[in-house]
Amino acid sequence: DAEITQSPRHKITETGRQVTLACHQTWNHNNMFWYRQDLGHGLRLIHYSYGVQDTNKGEVSDGYSVSRSNTEDLPLTLESAASSQTSVYFCASSHHRDGPGFFGPGTRLTVL
Amino acid sequence: AQTVTQSQPEMSVQEAETVTLSCTYDTSESDYYLFWYKQPPSRQMILVIRQEAYKQQNATENRFSVNFQKAAKSFSLKISDSQLGDAAMYFCAYRAGSSNTGKLIFGQGTTLQVKP
Repeated sequence: DAEITQSPRHKITETGRQVTLACHQTWNHNNMFWYRQDLGHGLRLIHYSYGVQDTNKGEVSDGYSVSRSNTEDLPLTLESAASSQTSVYFCASSHHRDGPGFFGPGTRLTVL
Repeated sequence: AQTVTQSQPEMSVQEAETVTLSCTYDTSESDYYLFWYKQPPSRQMILVIRQEAYKQQNATENRFSVNFQKAAKSFSLKISDSQLGDAAMYFCAYRAGSSNTGKLIFGQGTTLQVKP
């Protein structure tokens, strides 16, 4: 069965370190998204991609970057982790104009 | 810019009763989609129901139905015959149809408690 996975599921890191969160989907969807979830804010869009080599900034993109070298993967990198980036991160994918998006299980990141 | 507002941070319902969760949104688009997602303690985001703006008929999925009022920009979720497994956080979400990109804008969420 097609799915979307994230790794790691939990991560603790220190301020200033570079961190990469992985997202892998086997739906063969063109569109992939990264959201963060914080209390009182719901889910907010960080970055998104419409296809290979395409990346775009969302509403809370500062301090994050993504790259899309193939259809299946959209890794999210925190260049220099900050305590404000402690959050739960969700990856999602969707087909062109088809469906709302399938979400991964989430990654809980703690920056100390 | 589009916004989604859920004004009820918490709601509770007695098992087997009916509860309605509120959602309002703001957009200048005419083509868009609205969704309700359920997030149980496992954190998995589960699609509950979707509504296309061009459809006048309210969407229904088993015990879940929506009251879509396009002119009022309101999109409430009704859960009938509430079950203990319905306890979760519920998010309302908007997606512009014209962009074809699947980018979602979420409300802040409503935590639903189901009392036995």
